Amino acid sequence: DGGITQSPKYLFRKEGQNVTLSCEQNLNHDAMYWYRQDPGQGLRLIYYSQIVNDFQKGDIAEGYSVSREKKESFPLTVTSAQKNPTAFYLCASSLGLAGTTDTQYFGPGTRLTVL
Amino acid sequence: QQQVKQSPQSLIVQKGGISIINCAYENTAFDYFPWYQQFPGKGPALLIAIRPDVSEKKEGRFTISFNKSAKQFSLHIMDSQPGDSATYFCAASSGTSYDKVIFGPGTSLSVIP
Repeated sequence: DGGITQSPKYLFRKEGQNVTLSCEQNLNHDAMYWYRQDPGQGLRLIYYSQIVNDFQKGDIAEGYSVSREKKESFPLTVTSAQKNPTAFYLCASSLGLAGTTDTQYFGPGTRLTVL
Repeated sequence: QQQVKQSPQSLIVQKGGISIINCAYENTAFDYFPWYQQFPGKGPALLIAIRPDVSEKKEGRFTISFNKSAKQFSLHIMDSQPGDSATYFCAASSGTSYDKVIFGPGTSLSVIP
């Protein structure tokens, strides 16, 4: 059963804590992405990775960090430097074909709440 | 220039009616325009997509109309059903920056019986 999995579904964080959101895909996609979704604001790109061991900042990377040690995994760490982390976080992947546009497939999301 | 505008913000349609969501863009380099459907608490799923070499694409009850000169595109949902109630996002991307998709702010559709 191919797809993208995210865990946990719900996550609660205390002020000053770092938390890591998991994203795994078995679609054999090269490219992976992290988005943040706030009500009425659509999706905003945090980080993306085109290949293993390489990643680029998106529009709102401050306070976040990522790693891409394996093709199928792209974890996101929300650090204490992120001042307003409460949001719905979405991971996506795509084939990542250079020079062409391809479709992004999304995971089910993780809802992060800061207590 | 990277922005994608979307309207309306919310839409209420009676069962069996036509739902219409409009989007507009500025960047003429965009060459791929997908629509995503998102149910509450779930990730967005690709619904239908179009490239600018065609003016219309239909898949079942869902149709994209594309006006390249006006830089506008729209989603029409025919015979709307309560199960279509969801948030719809239009998006745009360019083959020269395949890794970045620009999303519209979304439209919340409610189909009432």
